[in-house]
Amino acid sequence: EDQVTQSPEALRLQEGESSSLNCSYTVSGLRGLFWYRQDPGKGPEFLFTLYSAGEEKEKERLKATLTKKESFLHITAPKPEDSATYLCAVQPTGNQFYFGTGTSLTVIP
Amino acid sequence: DGGITQSPKYLFRKEGQNVTLSCEQNLNHDAMYWYRQDPGQGLRLIYYSQIVNDFQKGDIAEGYSVSREKKESFPLTVTSAQKNPTAFYLCASRLNRGGKGYTFGSGTRLTVV
Repeated sequence: EDQVTQSPEALRLQEGESSSLNCSYTVSGLRGLFWYRQDPGKGPEFLFTLYSAGEEKEKERLKATLTKKESFLHITAPKPEDSATYLCAVQPTGNQFYFGTGTSLTVIP
Repeated sequence: DGGITQSPKYLFRKEGQNVTLSCEQNLNHDAMYWYRQDPGQGLRLIYYSQIVNDFQKGDIAEGYSVSREKKESFPLTVTSAQKNPTAFYLCASRLNRGGKGYTFGSGTRLTVV
């Protein structure tokens, strides 16, 4: 069964304290893995797409990496404005996507 | 700018009423999706449509209905048969080809009163 698990559920960081969020998956063939940021009461905003193991993408303080079993979203020197829920989604063969439950990140000034 | 628009932002439903949530996109995307988001749960797929005049049930379609008469529009009706409709509803769209992810709307929060 296709499954996506994100950890931790919640993470509190001091401003400037780097950390990583995890997205582990079991799917029958991976066409793509997607990271989104969601602010309270809003729709998810696209961050990254990763297609194959070993691939990395960066955007400002965020860096996403992918292996055959999991993806990490590394946050370097976070700021309070990075506080949000980060969602991971995978697309196996076919058109349906599977979402994790998200990691709620709080960055304290 | 192209985008995907959901309306209304907030919606209140009385017991026994049907309500319709609007979703319009001007991205020329082929496929459109409706998800439901509840606290502590991942996004759950309600219905999706890959082409006009065709749609498929997702994991939690019971109590919902959709139509896809135009490429740009994919309205969702929450019927009185949906016993627990209070949730945050998200509409999304994407191209069928190219391996791109979703573009999401800003969501509609539905509350039963």
